[in-house]
Amino acid sequence: AQSVSQHNHHVILSEAASLELGCNYSYGGTVNLFWYVQYPGQHLQLLLKYFSGDPLVKGIKGFEAEFIKSKFSFNLRKPSVQWSDTAEYFCAVNYLNTDKLIFGTGTRLQVFP
Amino acid sequence: GAVVSQHPSWVICKSGTSVKIECRSLDFQATTMFWYRQFPKQSLMLMATSNEGSKATYEQGVEKDKFLINHASLTLSTLTVTSAHPEDSSFYICSARDVTDEKLFFGSGTQLSVL
Repeated sequence: AQSVSQHNHHVILSEAASLELGCNYSYGGTVNLFWYVQYPGQHLQLLLKYFSGDPLVKGIKGFEAEFIKSKFSFNLRKPSVQWSDTAEYFCAVNYLNTDKLIFGTGTRLQVFP
Repeated sequence: GAVVSQHPSWVICKSGTSVKIECRSLDFQATTMFWYRQFPKQSLMLMATSNEGSKATYEQGVEKDKFLINHASLTLSTLTVTSAHPEDSSFYICSARDVTDEKLFFGSGTQLSVL
């Protein structure tokens, strides 16, 4: 079955620490990959996406993600987090033979000043 | 940027009653909208795909007679939870796909609590 897994459920960091959130998906053909963020009390927003081309994708607010096809992974990174990055982060995959987005379980990030 | 308005943001109802949730794309047209539900500490699970002018496509295990979806216009989809029960208590989120560029935008969600 098509699925997405996020390994880290809850991450706690101090400001300026580096961040990497894992995301793996099951094989199911060609995919489009997304990271969404949900700040406290707000709706989901797109951070970045990968459709094709350069596997290293730059997103908003200094986030980036790398698509490694051989590992079925799309990990999210940020070299130096800020307190305002505190949020829930969701990885999502669109298998191109369907019209659906499949979400991971999310990772709660808490950044302390 | 594009906005999807979801209303109400929270609702409490008695068991056996029906609840309607609206999802509106405010500044773009959406032929396709999606309805998700999210249980605490779990992922968003796709319930159904709502297509303007046609019947919704439901995911396996989702009761179409219980979760009625209507997508009567290019800017509005509604989800009605009929004869709600406590196990229907959840966070429901809609998303809408902009017809011009295929981008997906999410509503702010509706917290449903059934007593």
